[in-house]
Amino acid sequence: LAKTTQPISMDSYEGQEVNITCSHNNIATNDYITWYQQFPSQGPRFIIQGYKTKVTNEVASLFIPADRKSSTLSLPRVSLSDTAVYYCLVGVVDSNYQLIWGAGTKLIIKP
Amino acid sequence: ETGVTQTPRHLVMGMTNKKSLKCEQHLGHNAMYWYKQSAKKPLELMFVYSLEERVENNSVPSRFSPECPNSSHLFLHLHTLQPEDSALYLCASSQGVAVPDTQYFGPGTRLTVL
Repeated sequence: LAKTTQPISMDSYEGQEVNITCSHNNIATNDYITWYQQFPSQGPRFIIQGYKTKVTNEVASLFIPADRKSSTLSLPRVSLSDTAVYYCLVGVVDSNYQLIWGAGTKLIIKP
Repeated sequence: ETGVTQTPRHLVMGMTNKKSLKCEQHLGHNAMYWYKQSAKKPLELMFVYSLEERVENNSVPSRFSPECPNSSHLFLHLHTLQPEDSALYLCASSQGVAVPDTQYFGPGTRLTVL
């Protein structure tokens, strides 16, 4: 199983770029990497997903090195509203259908 | 966000009570999930249903009993719970069970077991 590890918390300031890295040393060939965002009193919300190299959408970028043992979520020019918990999820596509969630990174954005 | 709704939002129950959590998805999805979220711990996948059939049960205690009467509704029946079962219970849905399928989550039910 691909156990995921991510920092417990991070601080940054408005307008800065924030990078959150997730380690998943035992990732399998068919696994995808997905990041979710969660605000208090809400369920997680999908941010971005990738398999390898780089993926970019309107809110974030996801960098995955060739060995795929880690991934980095990049949030450009953060604002106060980006204060949330960010989860890394590694999907295991096999008959056991395991979904391995990280413990989450609490990101606090300061003015 | 009204794609996935959960009721009640808060629930306090004694260890001898029986209660049920309800989840409804309005997205036309074929798969639904129950998760347990405890403080400072990863989300724990409890149950997965695809087309109303259970496809995954991660060794969840029998005091938790899921029910999926149709692809839009999911229930979690609770009985004889323990205080350590206090947590946020999240429901999610996705188009299918194949990864990568984006999961859409409800707001959760905050459960407290006394």
